[in-house]
Amino acid sequence: KQEVTQIPAALSVPEGENLVLNCSFTDSAIYNLQWFRQDPGKGLTSLLLIQSSQREQTSGRLNASLDKSSGRSTLYIAASQPGDSATYLCAVTTINFNKFYFGSGTKLNVKP
Amino acid sequence: GAVVSQHPSWVICKSGTSVKIECRSLDFQATTMFWYRQFPKQSLMLMATSNEGSKATYEQGVEKDKFLINHASLTLSTLTVTSAHPEDSSFYICSADWGVDLHFGNGTRLTVT
Repeated sequence: KQEVTQIPAALSVPEGENLVLNCSFTDSAIYNLQWFRQDPGKGLTSLLLIQSSQREQTSGRLNASLDKSSGRSTLYIAASQPGDSATYLCAVTTINFNKFYFGSGTKLNVKP
Repeated sequence: GAVVSQHPSWVICKSGTSVKIECRSLDFQATTMFWYRQFPKQSLMLMATSNEGSKATYEQGVEKDKFLINHASLTLSTLTVTSAHPEDSSFYICSADWGVDLHFGNGTRLTVT
């Protein structure tokens, strides 16, 4: 069974710092990997989607990489801002795209 | 495009009553919708896959008689929590298939007193 792990569980940084969030998964037979943002009490917002054949995706200050063979993905946030404070979740989908497996998230706090 | 609307956003009910949560795809048709549950400080957990016109597929450990799912049209799936108990208090989120991406509702916070 697929297991998704995120490290660290929580992270507090001063504004302006660059940071990296880590995600690992046990079964490399994935269809794609997504990074989400979750604000307290709200639904998920999709940040980046990486297909299994891709190595990375970029959107603004966000860059996500995927190393499928080693079962790892990283989310890089450049020049962090207080508005980036949220919980970040990664999730992988199975090859037949009928299930999502989520990590437990990294709670990020960016201090002004 | 690809907006998923979930209603209500929060609900409080008494123990033993039933609560219905709606998930609508507003500008696209979704043959498949997913229902998740999130307990505090835990990850989202898939509860069931809702398929339009057929029975939902439940994940292991999820009681299908307690969490009734109906996907009667291509734009609406409903989750009914029957005979709710305080331990059912949680954050419920739906998502709908659109292309290769999933789009999520804003969630429903259920509190059972």
